[in-house]
Amino acid sequence: DTAVSQTPKYLVTQMGNDKSIKCEQNLGHDTMYWYKQDSKKFLKIMFSYNNKELIINETVPNRFSPKSPDKAHLNLHINSLELGDSAVYFCASSPTGRMNTEAFFGQGTRLTVV
Amino acid sequence: AQKITQTQPGMFVQEKEAVTLDCTYDTSDPSYGLFWYKQPSSGEMIFLIYQGSYDQQNATEGRYSLNFQKARKSANLVISASQLGDSAMYFCAMREGPNAGNNRKLIWGLGTSLAVNP
Repeated sequence: DTAVSQTPKYLVTQMGNDKSIKCEQNLGHDTMYWYKQDSKKFLKIMFSYNNKELIINETVPNRFSPKSPDKAHLNLHINSLELGDSAVYFCASSPTGRMNTEAFFGQGTRLTVV
Repeated sequence: AQKITQTQPGMFVQEKEAVTLDCTYDTSDPSYGLFWYKQPSSGEMIFLIYQGSYDQQNATEGRYSLNFQKARKSANLVISASQLGDSAMYFCAMREGPNAGNNRKLIWGLGTSLAVNP
């Protein structure tokens, strides 16, 4: 059973399009995240949700809108895609309030904007 | 200021030898946790090992151990008996405690690319 699953794994789209990436975790965690990994492998947090509430928004353009219908799901919708949005996007989850628990990652979505 | 520094962009090691990947961190919070992740070429992020700031002993997990030197603020990953499958990017990350007031997100280093030679 996959702990954190995100779909699709690959996404190729044209500039200006709107696309969504879905994420689901079956670990019972309260906190979910979206990370962006650029071409230089730098990982940067974008958003964090705790029990469906937004708790971290790291200066991400408002073309990016996360949505958490329940605590097991955190989807990422991107409007008006730009070339610079090309990256690998990772969803992750972790329990709340425990310092020593690692974040569990999905397999990543490689987004290519052409 | 960079909170997590990995000074080695790339490292080479001979198969079966040990290798140390460096990580230094910066925090004023007495409570924090340090993590190492592995990212192979297939792209997934794999958790390797955790060290808490109050842990008395260095963490070990199989062939992975963490050389934690609190006064120096370093948390180097040691991989013993390297295998070809250890070739990957390795990331050091830190989670600060409640005093940091930053919702306890993971702060990441830039990574070290390790190549294991046969």
